[in-house]
Order: sequence, then structure tokens, then C-alpha cells
Amino acid sequence: ILNVEQSPQSLHVQEGDSTNFTCSFPSSNFYALHWYRWETAKSPEALFVMTLNGDEKKKGRISATLNTKEGYSYLYIKGSQPEDSATYLCARNTGNQFYFGTGTSLTVIP
Amino acid sequence: KAGVTQTPRYLIKTRGQQVTLSCSPISGHRSVSWYQQTPGQGLQFLFEYFSETQRNKGNFPGRFSGRQFSNSRSEMNVSTLELGDSALYLCASSWITGPNQPQHFGDGTRLSIL
Repeated sequence: ILNVEQSPQSLHVQEGDSTNFTCSFPSSNFYALHWYRWETAKSPEALFVMTLNGDEKKKGRISATLNTKEGYSYLYIKGSQPEDSATYLCARNTGNQFYFGTGTSLTVIP
Repeated sequence: KAGVTQTPRYLIKTRGQQVTLSCSPISGHRSVSWYQQTPGQGLQFLFEYFSETQRNKGNFPGRFSGRQFSNSRSEMNVSTLELGDSALYLCASSWITGPNQPQHFGDGTRLSIL
């Protein structure tokens, strides 16, 4: 994998459903993996910064895991709410710059 | 605490012109990074400034340049504008430079080239 890849590209879920997305990245030259939430007409907001293999972070109903050896991170949202609708970006830092994925666009249907 | 402020929010230019975008970071933040987003592309890193020095640079032509002032405010300049430069330009700040520093983004400047 040369770039940061996110899947799926977009997702529609019903309110109350749990969901997860994937961020894949090259495992070499790994320093940190960041997750951001980007709501329409707003600026991207930092969710998590993950640095160690096996890291798990949680903020309310949102959590993330990291596997640096195989080069992937999962973002989980438990009991999705309409206010969770946003684009979720992941970014890999190689020590001197960020490489962003194209994001997963989540729409939560009331 | 005020967030990252970018001006202007919208800008329309024609091919061949040049443009300057401004970014005021969160008070106390000394690192400022610039990103370009075009349709279908992830955020593309342009450059990072820390304490008035360019620390890192992405893979963009020399038409894209920047600078940072002693108060940490940063400007980005694009000369000889091309149609492909139409994009959302985001600025982000962090307290210090480093791979585990979360980026605090502004709302962006949307640049349209006619």
C-alpha cells in the first residue's frame, strides 16, 4: 500500500446501528495515526492520535484500534446518532508530514 | 480560546494571477501547516512552518510558497494560477511540531480559478 486508504467510501446506517470503518496504511516509517471528524460546513476536528501497536482509544460512543504491524486502524461508532453524520478522515504521520486518506462519509438516517 | 482563522473564506481569481491566503493559528501554537483539497483527493500536504522556519514541504511546484511571521501567523502564496489550483485550502496549527500532535484546522479558503 503506497497511500492511506479508507473504506468504505460512504456509508448509510440507521439511527441506533453500530458501524465501523477501516484505514489502511503502509506499515513502514510509522510514527502516528490520526483520526478526524469533518462535518459539513465545519473544520476537521481531531478525534484520536494513536502511536503504539495495539493502541485502543475511546471517546464516548466512538473508539479506535491500531495495528501497526499489518498497517490498519478501525474506527467504531456504537449506537449511531444523526449528529455522527460526517466524513471521518484518517492520517498517517511519517515523522515529517501527514498523509490523509480520502475519508469515509457517514450518513445516519433518523 | 479563538480557533484557527483563515482569510478570506472565498476567493475568485483568473489564470495567471497570484493569490495570498492568510492563517492565524490558535494563540500559543507555533506550528502551522497548509493543505490542499480537490474533489476526490484526500488532503494534500503543502508545507509546515514552525518558529518562522519551513520544516517540511510536500510535493507541490515552486509556484506554491509560504512564510510564517514572528507572531506565528502564516501566509501562503500561489503564483501564476492554473485552473487545477481551484481547491479548498486548509490551514492547521498545533502547539509544537511532531507526529503525535493533533492538528487544529481552520474553516479553509475556497479558491476558484476562472
